[in-house]
Amino acid sequence: DTGVSQNPRHKITKRGQNVTFRCDPISEHNRLYWYRQTLGQGPEFLTYFQNEAQLEKSRLLSDRFSAERPKGSFSTLEIQRTEQGDSAMYLCASSLVFENTEAFFGQGTRLTVV
Amino acid sequence: GQQLNQSPQSMFIQEGEDVSMNCTSSSIFNTWLWYKQDPGEGPVLLIALYKAGELTSNGRLTAQFGITRKDSFLNISASIPSDVGIYFCAGLHGSGTYKYIFGTGTRLKVLA
Repeated sequence: DTGVSQNPRHKITKRGQNVTFRCDPISEHNRLYWYRQTLGQGPEFLTYFQNEAQLEKSRLLSDRFSAERPKGSFSTLEIQRTEQGDSAMYLCASSLVFENTEAFFGQGTRLTVV
Repeated sequence: GQQLNQSPQSMFIQEGEDVSMNCTSSSIFNTWLWYKQDPGEGPVLLIALYKAGELTSNGRLTAQFGITRKDSFLNISASIPSDVGIYFCAGLHGSGTYKYIFGTGTRLKVLA
């Protein structure tokens, strides 16, 4: 399968714990995006990378959140000291590097903080 | 974060009916995308639009890039039960900022 792959699909964690999610983009895609989606809402932008450079971060990305894409391939999103408000679906997408292009999403990681 | 306005928020229709929904923005976009999302899954791309006034079809789906570049429309003809889901629009400014801004979604329910 050559689509965007996210792991794990589901994560349940206790408040205060750290969690890390992984995203493997479509192989030839240089841009990689992270979004967060809460129930009943559309996806909200968190950050994006072009190759290994993190080019834009949303104000939603508090200092407890960090994203990396060390070799310009897969990416990780870490949330430290999780809070109940972090419970959401975390979506990853990738796209080619063109002025106008479409993004393809993975199946998401559902995080539940208890 | 910023979200685009989608209308209607939800709709019930009979199988076989046509469906129309739209998405509006206060700013101009260079690309409009339409996605469908099923519960517990990621959004799946349906149609991409790149030029103002462009009309593009994908099977029973037709989407248009508004002339003002501030809106887009999606039509589904002859709806079937598997069309149930949430439809999202997304806009891309381009020209230096490459984040996609999503709409609030239109929830479609089809009555057989």
